[in-house]
Amino acid sequence: DQQVKQNSPSLSVQEGRISILNCDYTNSMFDYFLWYKKYPAEGPTFLISISSIKDKNEDGRFTVFLNKSAKHLSLHIVPSQPGDSAVYFCAASEGGQFYFGTGTSLTVIP
Amino acid sequence: EAGVAQSPRYKIIEKRQSVAFWCNPISGHATLYWYQQILGQGPKLLIQFQNNGVVDDSQLPKDRFSAERLKGVDSTLKIQPAKLEDSAVYLCASSLGTSGSWETQYFGPGTRLLVL
Repeated sequence: DQQVKQNSPSLSVQEGRISILNCDYTNSMFDYFLWYKKYPAEGPTFLISISSIKDKNEDGRFTVFLNKSAKHLSLHIVPSQPGDSAVYFCAASEGGQFYFGTGTSLTVIP
Repeated sequence: EAGVAQSPRYKIIEKRQSVAFWCNPISGHATLYWYQQILGQGPKLLIQFQNNGVVDDSQLPKDRFSAERLKGVDSTLKIQPAKLEDSAVYLCASSLGTSGSWETQYFGPGTRLLVL
């Protein structure tokens, strides 16, 4: 049973525009959420996180939003850059146990 | 600060052979994870260590997979015998392991295994 879902396998965005990646989860006990970025032939790289006591966390061009009532998480990248092209995984944690989504492949078109 | 190291980066074996992967976590990280990532899917946890003790191995196929972290630092993951469906990327990750929650995992580059 997939507890963390990324329903869009791919997304294409023009350079300079906003990229919005979405993630849904089913377990209301998750208390920590993370986004990872993965380039081909490399391991996932930590990008940004948010705890369940917040609804927004911002780090430069990256902002993560958490809607606990909807069990929905999103990552906004603005402005998008060609170097942002990668696969993005969301992850959720309960007591240190992590569950990952299937990933969204983002392509930023120059 | 050095990241999580893994070796080998690639491995090709025939089914029924055995294979071992090695992971060296970030210095000072108490928690170590092994994940299996099949093409097109997200990472799936195989086993989690806290120091040299196993925290969770519920999804480890114990009839063929084994893992150890004898001194609470390096870890090895072994598959014996390998099956075709074991073809995947095996990711090692580590975290400080101080709080249980709100931990951030840091991943190694992975070992890409192909079983023929």
